[in-house]
Amino acid sequence: EAGVTQFPSHSVIEKGQTVTLRCDPISGHDNLYWYRRVMGKEIKFLLHFVKESKQDESGMPNNRFLAERTGGTYSTLKVQPAELEDSGVYFCASSQGGNTFSYEQYFGPGTRLTVT
Amino acid sequence: AQSVTQLDSQVPVFEEAPVELRCNYSSSVSVYLFWYVQYPNQGLQLLLKYLSGSTLVKGINGFEAEFNKSQTSFHLRKPSVHISDTAEYFCAVTGMDSSYKLIFGSGTRLLVRP
Repeated sequence: EAGVTQFPSHSVIEKGQTVTLRCDPISGHDNLYWYRRVMGKEIKFLLHFVKESKQDESGMPNNRFLAERTGGTYSTLKVQPAELEDSGVYFCASSQGGNTFSYEQYFGPGTRLTVT
Repeated sequence: AQSVTQLDSQVPVFEEAPVELRCNYSSSVSVYLFWYVQYPNQGLQLLLKYLSGSTLVKGINGFEAEFNKSQTSFHLRKPSVHISDTAEYFCAVTGMDSSYKLIFGSGTRLLVRP
């Protein structure tokens, strides 16, 4: 069974540009989460999808960040325009939902975003 | 709301020595507790979790953790570490109030020396 995959693994962009990160969760997982780790700090929650619906987006830093999950499968996180403080590692995680609730979240390898 | 404190940012230890990585949390509701590990250039992997029942939880790779409700702690232990245990370890909680997001500590780098 394939794990959570993220693309790209690393992105370097200039301030003001746009970047789109992609996450493919484990097949059949209804829950999809985005987290971010800024240099040396704790990993912070950004948002949570249940299928295609945003369940909780309380961690999104501002309106420059837009997350989508079309059809309840893969998800994208767009940053537009990027600022220097957006640099960090963006993690995606997924977990089962429905009648089989699982608190175990499976994480992808992360996308390292560098804004220069 | 929940918060997690990992007091040690880095723990150096010699191979085959025991290790304890400390984690304390605060929460206004009951919580589930987790330890994740991140090996170099890899994603986060679940080591162990406490949901209910026995307060001593055993995980993968010989790690275990003990939930102490009165001290709001969930320290991670291993009796004898290997070089391959060198990694960053994260303690995390999620509240039993249906907000399933994980709240992480700042991480502890375990450095195992020969």
